[in-house]
Amino acid sequence: KAGVTQTPRYLIKTRGQQVTLSCSPISGHRSVSWYQQTPGQGLQFLFEYFSETQRNKGNFPGRFSGRQFSNSRSEMNVSTLELGDSALYLCASKSGNTIYFGEGSWLTVV
Amino acid sequence: DQQVKQNSPSLSVQEGRISILNCDYTNSMFDYFLWYKKYPAEGPTFLISISSIKDKNEDGRFTVFLNKSAKHLSLHIVPSQPGDSAVYFCAASTTKTSYDKVIFGPGTSLSVIP
Repeated sequence: KAGVTQTPRYLIKTRGQQVTLSCSPISGHRSVSWYQQTPGQGLQFLFEYFSETQRNKGNFPGRFSGRQFSNSRSEMNVSTLELGDSALYLCASKSGNTIYFGEGSWLTVV
Repeated sequence: DQQVKQNSPSLSVQEGRISILNCDYTNSMFDYFLWYKKYPAEGPTFLISISSIKDKNEDGRFTVFLNKSAKHLSLHIVPSQPGDSAVYFCAASTTKTSYDKVIFGPGTSLSVIP
């Protein structure tokens, strides 16, 4: 069974630009969540989607948004990028209470 | 207010010896606990979990111990290997919870010295 897959793995953007990251959950998993990890920080919850609906949202500004498609694939978007948005963005899907993470998309904002 | 704490930011252990990573939590409602291992620039990998109805769970070289009265859990790695060098995150949740209620600790960086 393939794990959670994320694309792209690495990208560099300029301040003010926007970025879209993509995620495919483990086959059969219907919910998807997104996390941000910055150096020295733990995992910060961004949002959760289930059946194309956002179920929960973390404490992030409105520049961070996401969506889920009917095939459970998800995208997250960050608009008007700031230097502080440089981070590893992780997508995850869940079986029971165990969260399985993708390899992440490493975003650098310059 | 950190609900899940990993008070040791880093730990160094000789290859072949035991690594003990500690985690404390404050919310007595937590009843399911997980450990994840993370290499740089990669996503965390699930290692092992434990439910509050148990006090020990073992999987190969990894054993997690839970002390509910002390609100403390620990991950033991025996014997430690250089490939175990990574950041280890402890996480806690209540059963049947949503993602936002799974609380992660800040992580402990383990270095296993050959």
